[in-house]
Amino acid sequence: QQQVKQSPQSLIVQKGGISIINCAYENTAFDYFPWYQQFPGKGPALLIAIRPDVSEKKEGRFTISFNKSAKQFSLHIMDSQPGDSATYFCAASKAGGFKTIFGAGTRLFVKA
Amino acid sequence: NAGVTQTPKFQVLKTGQSMTLQCAQDMNHEYMSWYRQDPGMGLRLIHYSVGAGITDQGEVPNGYNVSRSTTEDFPLRLLSAAPSQTSVYFCASRPDRGNTEAFFGQGTRLTVV
Repeated sequence: QQQVKQSPQSLIVQKGGISIINCAYENTAFDYFPWYQQFPGKGPALLIAIRPDVSEKKEGRFTISFNKSAKQFSLHIMDSQPGDSATYFCAASKAGGFKTIFGAGTRLFVKA
Repeated sequence: NAGVTQTPKFQVLKTGQSMTLQCAQDMNHEYMSWYRQDPGMGLRLIHYSVGAGITDQGEVPNGYNVSRSTTEDFPLRLLSAAPSQTSVYFCASRPDRGNTEAFFGQGTRLTVV
């Protein structure tokens, strides 16, 4: 079963616009929510992560918003650039656990 | 800084053939795992290891074997390749089972014909 649902599947944004990718999870035991960025032909790499004790985390143009009661979290990319074009995966894991559950991925294309 | 190294990068197999995908990390990480990536399916966990000599199954283990004789190496074996195993395979490592960053290799693109 898919424990982390990610949407949209693909996204096209104009340069300078805001890209928003959403994820929802089911297991309330999850307490670590990373986002990974993957360029074609490469492995995923950690972009930014959040724990449920905060509602927002910002690193440069990238922000995670977290809604614990709704069991949802989202990635916002401000001032999107063509170099941000990649596949983004949300993920979730629980303290002391061995498994990270990934969303299905979102292919982002930023038009110049 | 090599990080996580996977070989080969590309492989074509005939149905029924066996092969081993290699994965090595030089970060002294205890935790290693194998994922397969398929369109629309995200990354699905095949097998993982929490240290030398200790392995366990993930979401989609059928048709795959693993072993972990050293901290550095975690090979994935396909026993009898099937077209359904056509995928991109990623090996990942992280320091421990806590909530920490996973480091991925560059992947192996496998086609089974």
